[in-house]
Amino acid sequence: DAGVIQSPRHEVTEMGQEVTLRCKPISGHNSLFWYRQTMMRGLELLIYFNNNVPIDDSGMPEDRFSAKMPNASFSTLKIQPSEPRDSAVYFCASSLNFADGSNYGYTFGSGTRLTVV
Amino acid sequence: KNEVEQSPQNLTAQEGEFITINCSYSVGISALHWLQQHPGGGIVSLFMLSSGKKKHGRLIATINIQEKHSSLHITASHPRDSAVYICAVRLKKETSGSRLTFGEGTQLTVNP
Repeated sequence: DAGVIQSPRHEVTEMGQEVTLRCKPISGHNSLFWYRQTMMRGLELLIYFNNNVPIDDSGMPEDRFSAKMPNASFSTLKIQPSEPRDSAVYFCASSLNFADGSNYGYTFGSGTRLTVV
Repeated sequence: KNEVEQSPQNLTAQEGEFITINCSYSVGISALHWLQQHPGGGIVSLFMLSSGKKKHGRLIATINIQEKHSSLHITASHPRDSAVYICAVRLKKETSGSRLTFGEGTQLTVNP
């Protein structure tokens, strides 16, 4: 398996533009997570999906952020409009979650480094 | 107060030294992960623990559930071990999914 695949690896955009980050989880994994990493706040969860359904989006900063998972093999994180304070590394991760709460194969993507100027 | 605390925040060692990084947490957990992040790089999961001890090469991870504490040990450290090591826990209160709560990380530098 190629692992969790994120694109693009780097994105530089101007303030006010729309940004879309993409993630392909590991085939067979049923949980998908979007995390953000900044120097000030470290790693923090934005949103996660279980079986394509958003479970907890309390970490999404504000209405400018939205995430979708139209099918088991693809998710997007969209920022519209983008602001300089959104500059960060955005990680996608996936895992296989069982009904008893156990978890297997937690894997992170390589991240997207976003710079908003 | 963070639910997950790591120490030390920064650690510098000489090649060959034995290294220990500690992680304490204040809540019930179902699992604990040790992650490694190289500069400019992605995040790699080193271990997932729910009890006892795991070993992989020169890396050893232990967890004491009663004391809410875990340690990551590196034997015969090498400059390529230089990275940020992050402790992350899956909270027991999570009823679905497996979101992680992270420590602030330990920056390890191993000098030749």
